[in-house]
Amino acid sequence: GAVVSQHPSRVICKSGTSVKIECRSLDFQATTMFWYRQFPKQSLMLMATSNEGSKATYEQGVEKDKFLINHASLTLSTLTVTSAHPEDSSFYICSARLAVTQYFGPGTRLLVL
Amino acid sequence: RKEVEQDPGPFNVPEGATVAFNCTYSNSASQSFFWYRQDCRKEPKLLMSVYSSGNEDGRFTAQLNRASQYISLLIRDSKLSDSATYLCVVGGFKTIFGAGTRLFVKA
Repeated sequence: GAVVSQHPSRVICKSGTSVKIECRSLDFQATTMFWYRQFPKQSLMLMATSNEGSKATYEQGVEKDKFLINHASLTLSTLTVTSAHPEDSSFYICSARLAVTQYFGPGTRLLVL
Repeated sequence: RKEVEQDPGPFNVPEGATVAFNCTYSNSASQSFFWYRQDCRKEPKLLMSVYSSGNEDGRFTAQLNRASQYISLLIRDSKLSDSATYLCVVGGFKTIFGAGTRLFVKA
């Protein structure tokens, strides 16, 4: 099956710092990637849809200036959490679409102290 | 009404049991349907796509009823390793994930 990688897998940072998370499709090209957030014992929440070569589409309630998304190539999308705060601590998961199927990265656990 | 609704769970079943999960969706224009499995603290992984004709993969059988906008997943001969959260996923203009149903298989 298609493989999606995510880096880093875990990050701990101080409040106020920015954190960049990378999502790569390893064996296919993805014009569309998705960023999700999942809090403990809750369901996946779509944050934004990342489109190669154009601006990301953010879901209602997600601050685009806080969660910066860049999809500069067909195999890489990045999510930058700017000025992170403890409430941003969560499990961030990306996915890439191949045809109609989404394949997920292994996720990044962010802890903001 | 949620766009994709699943049985709330959790389902607690003994090894060897047969368990069925149901899912309904609201958008009749939806075009693709999937079941994903998510283990605790891990990413979702594709379990199987769901086709109108129904499809089977080993102990897993998926059914789709477009008229009723209903999807099901049947797991036969449950194993301890089947314990996970099962996500119903419906694709169209947007991909919508259900909230998931937790399954616990006990020895």
